[in-house]
Amino acid sequence: GNSVTQMEGPVTLSEEAFLTINCTYTATGYPSLFWYVQYPGEGLQLLLKATKADDKGSNKGFEATYRKETTSFHLEKGSVQVSDSAVYFCALSEGTSGTYKYIFGTGTRLKVLA
Amino acid sequence: GAGVSQSPSNKVTEKGKDVELRCDPISGHTALYWYRQSLGQGLEFLIYFQGNSAPDKSGLPSDRFSAERTGGSVSTLTIQRTQQEDSAVYLCASSLVPGLSTDTQYFGPGTRLTVL
Repeated sequence: GNSVTQMEGPVTLSEEAFLTINCTYTATGYPSLFWYVQYPGEGLQLLLKATKADDKGSNKGFEATYRKETTSFHLEKGSVQVSDSAVYFCALSEGTSGTYKYIFGTGTRLKVLA
Repeated sequence: GAGVSQSPSNKVTEKGKDVELRCDPISGHTALYWYRQSLGQGLEFLIYFQGNSAPDKSGLPSDRFSAERTGGSVSTLTIQRTQQEDSAVYLCASSLVPGLSTDTQYFGPGTRLTVL
């Protein structure tokens, strides 16, 4: 079945450091891929998405490229800020089963130190 | 409304009691989803509504869980005879176009359920 694997956290970085959070997926069809972010005490918010191979999603300085050949959708940011501290979830949506539910990764907690 | 709303935000109940959780999706969104977020299991899909029908109930963990949606809008998730393992944050999401994997799901703030 479909699945998403994320790197284990927590990830602790200093402010202005480069961030990569790895995400790989397994899917039978042609999924859309998403990154959601959950700030402390808040709900899930869409960060970015990509709907087909080689698409790059970007938002708030974050980027991720849909790589079909490596079945990956790694999240990157060139210079993190303290305000980026949150839990990041990779997810896929694929409809061969007739539903478009999300399959989520386990989440990666990011802590950015000033 | 501007976003997905859920009520109550917190619910504490005793083992064996029934609870009802409510979701108000974004106006005009046809698709509605329930998920559960727990420490041990991460984020799990529970049920999907397209309009008032539920073509995918595969994530409901037992027959103690049920959900309905009326008028193509509000949805209620009911848990009967609650157990301690039901303690989790229950999330609702809605999306505009059912049957489209590219469509973004918008999440509510969740209901934190604690079963004592």
